[in-house]
Amino acid sequence: IQLTQSPSFLSASVGDRVTITCRASQGQGLRIYLAWYQQKPGKAPKLLIYAASTLQGGVPSRFSGSGSGTDYTLTISNLQPEDSATYYCQQLKTYPLGFGGGTKVEIK
Amino acid sequence: EVPLVESGGGSVQPGGSLRLSCRASGFTFRSDWMAWVRQAPGKGLEWVANIKEDGSERFYVDSVEGRFTISRDNAESSLYLQMNSLRVEDTAVYYCTRYNDITEGDSFDIWGQGTTVIVTS
Repeated sequence: IQLTQSPSFLSASVGDRVTITCRASQGQGLRIYLAWYQQKPGKAPKLLIYAASTLQGGVPSRFSGSGSGTDYTLTISNLQPEDSATYYCQQLKTYPLGFGGGTKVEIK
Repeated sequence: EVPLVESGGGSVQPGGSLRLSCRASGFTFRSDWMAWVRQAPGKGLEWVANIKEDGSERFYVDSVEGRFTISRDNAESSLYLQMNSLRVEDTAVYYCTRYNDITEGDSFDIWGQGTTVIVTS
């Protein structure tokens, strides 16, 4: 399963709502195997969302995920300065367990 | 307490070998699948290998199949990655991660801080 993220880069202001898209080459039964991660420079990735829409414990509620089939989105509402990072989607349904190419979010 | 701590990275010549280790704490290591994920400089994340709780099943990305071996010692709560025939393109930060496969949905939910492997002549 190939994952295509868009955009690869976005710049937004504090308080904005941003949406990142992840499109899969195959979508049957993918939903519970779709996760989102946040990675800041020089740090390990951090799990934000699993099963497409379930928020990992401790993750702020301004992060949300949705989607089904081949199309998934990560939304950050009320963007904060600490949200500056690169975001990756991942599928864990079939091997190889692939990641999307990443979306770098910059705060204006 | 940091749940996953990697070690063993370093600089090696092409064709050489390295063994990465990852020590786990704070969770029931023997009950969980584990994985290695790497990130080349300036690039995205790449899954490398998985291993089942008891070590009976292992999966690899094609580019490392036959060169890398993932293993574990549940008595020591440790995960390993033996890397042989290293290539320049294996240069990356290697992360140890817990593969949490639960009914509600799978994810890599715990990550180490990473260890750096540099393959250069």
